[in-house]
Formats: sequence, C-alpha cells, structure tokens
Amino acid sequence: AQTVTQSQPEMSVQEAETVTLSCTYDTSENNYYLFWYKQPPSRQMILVIRQEAYKQQNATENRFSVNFQKAAKSFSLKISDSQLGDTAMYFCAFSRADNNNDMRFGAGTRLTVKP
Amino acid sequence: DGGITQSPKYLFRKEGQNVTLSCEQNLNHDAMYWYRQDPGQGLRLIYYSQIVNDFQKGDIAEGYSVSREKKESFPLTVTSAQKNPTAFYLCASSIERTGVNEQFFGPGTRLTVL
Repeated sequence: AQTVTQSQPEMSVQEAETVTLSCTYDTSENNYYLFWYKQPPSRQMILVIRQEAYKQQNATENRFSVNFQKAAKSFSLKISDSQLGDTAMYFCAFSRADNNNDMRFGAGTRLTVKP
Repeated sequence: DGGITQSPKYLFRKEGQNVTLSCEQNLNHDAMYWYRQDPGQGLRLIYYSQIVNDFQKGDIAEGYSVSREKKESFPLTVTSAQKNPTAFYLCASSIERTGVNEQFFGPGTRLTVL
C-alpha cells in the first residue's frame, strides 16, 4: 500500500518570503501522480499543483513549484512571494496511474503567512 | 456554474440515529468519492463509485452506506453502527479517463454527534 508522509505539522513564513513544504511517499509503482491540495479556513479543498511521475521536469503554477525527486520519493512544494491568502492546510497526495480511485493523502501541513 | 455541492454544511445527530449527507455534482464526472477528515489526519476514503449502480468500499467503510442511483448524486448514510461519526466529510468527483486523475472536492459537511 502507498503511504504519504508530511513531516511538518505546522510552518510559518513572512509575507513575500519563500517557504518549502516537504512530502515523502512510499510506493513500488513506477507510474503515478502526485498532488498538492490547499485547504483554506473555508475548508474547500483546492488543487494547487500536480506532477506526473514519468515527467522529469518539475511542475510550476505561478508562485507554486515542486521539487520532484523520484529516486528519493520526495515531492516538496515551494511557495514564492508568500501572500496572506496562502494561509491554509496543505495536503500532499499520491495516486496510482492505473487506479485513480485510490488517492492517498498525507496528514497535512498547516501554513501560516504572517504580515 | 459547474461544481460539487454538499448539504447540509453542519449536521447534528443524536446517538443511535442514522443520518444522510448529500453530494451532487454537475461536472458530468463518472467517479465520485466520500472522504472523512479528522484533526491531525489526512483524508481517508470511505466509499467510491466509478459508475451508476456500482460502488466500492474504501479503507473505513464500516458503519457507512452509499447509493449511486444517478450519475450526479452520491449520498452517504452514517449509520448508528459507526462508533465515532463526529468528523468533517468531503465528497469529491473525477473523470474516469486514463491520464486524468485530479479529484474535485465539495465544500464539506461537518457532522457532530450529540
């Protein structure tokens, strides 16, 4: 079974600075997808970014980028120019490419952006 | 607007009662999911359905039941057999197509057992 580990329960960052959230996962699969979801205080889960394991290039979405290290099974999220609206819980998630019904989530990292 | 709706937002239940949480989507997605979220834990899968009239148990299905009579709807019933039902429940949906795995989530229902 796949497991996802987020080792940082809470983090904080000053507005406009950069922060990196860590995620590691365990799988024997070669083809899979990785996701970062954001859950703000409204509790609405929003997809931030996703990465296909077969792609070597790291995904980027505006201020959000990932550092995908397949051999190390690591998938960190970097938030640049942090904004107050980035304050949220962030969940890392794993999904097998051949079974997207079995998405596994980490326990989450609570990020606070300070003014 | 296309999306996923869940109702009610807050739900209170007395011990021993069954209660049903609603989930509707107008995204024309084939698959739908129910997750439970507890403090300090990630989301855990309760049930999922890939097509109408078919559904599968997730990791924590005991004490829950579902139905999928329509593509748009996937209600979850929390039965009296669920020993600790107080939690936040999230419904999600996705397209059943190879290479597309993103799940879209509803706003959630907070269930509290009194």
